[in-house]
Amino acid sequence: GAVVSQHPSWVICKSGTSVKIECRSLDFQATTMFWYRQFPKQSLMLMATSNEGSKATYEQGVEKDKFLINHASLTLSTLTVTSAHPEDSSFYICSARDKTSGTYNEQFFGPGTRLTVL
Amino acid sequence: DQQVKQNSPSLSVQEGRISILNCDYTNSMFDYFLWYKKYPAEGPTFLISISSIKDKNEDGRFTVFLNKSAKHLSLHIVPSQPGDSAVYFCAARSQGNLIFGKGTKLSVKP
Repeated sequence: GAVVSQHPSWVICKSGTSVKIECRSLDFQATTMFWYRQFPKQSLMLMATSNEGSKATYEQGVEKDKFLINHASLTLSTLTVTSAHPEDSSFYICSARDKTSGTYNEQFFGPGTRLTVL
Repeated sequence: DQQVKQNSPSLSVQEGRISILNCDYTNSMFDYFLWYKKYPAEGPTFLISISSIKDKNEDGRFTVFLNKSAKHLSLHIVPSQPGDSAVYFCAARSQGNLIFGKGTKLSVKP
């Protein structure tokens, strides 16, 4: 099946620093990638949708200047948390939609990245 | 305003018995419903889905039922196995995006 990887799987950083998280589709091309955030005991909340070669579309309440998304190729999207603060600590998950998928448009999820901001 | 609701945060079932996970939604425009399974510190993995034009879809031990008039869907796992212990998310698709419920933690006891 389709595989999506994320790197790093866990990162601890100091408050005020920036952290970059990579999301890669390993065996398929993804025209669209999604970034989610999950708080403990909460649902997956969609942060933004990125399409290859264009600007990301952010959900209401998500600061685009704080969460920078770059979808530079059909297999790679990056999320950069700028000037991270402890409240940004969370589990970040990406998903990718196969370019060749039909009407179903299934999303394949990465394993997630746990961000801890001290 | 939650469009997809999973009102039971947890469920405990004996091995071999049936597990029934429930999900309610409010938006009648959802065209696909999906169930994902998630282990701690891992991303969700797709389990089973159902189109809004159907009322049942079965795949091995997993069956999803959709009641459109009640805006309700359920996932049945029979027989339940200890390896099924995980958090199950119900998701509904709208204009290509997925909206998730809060999840139900299933514990299957040997």
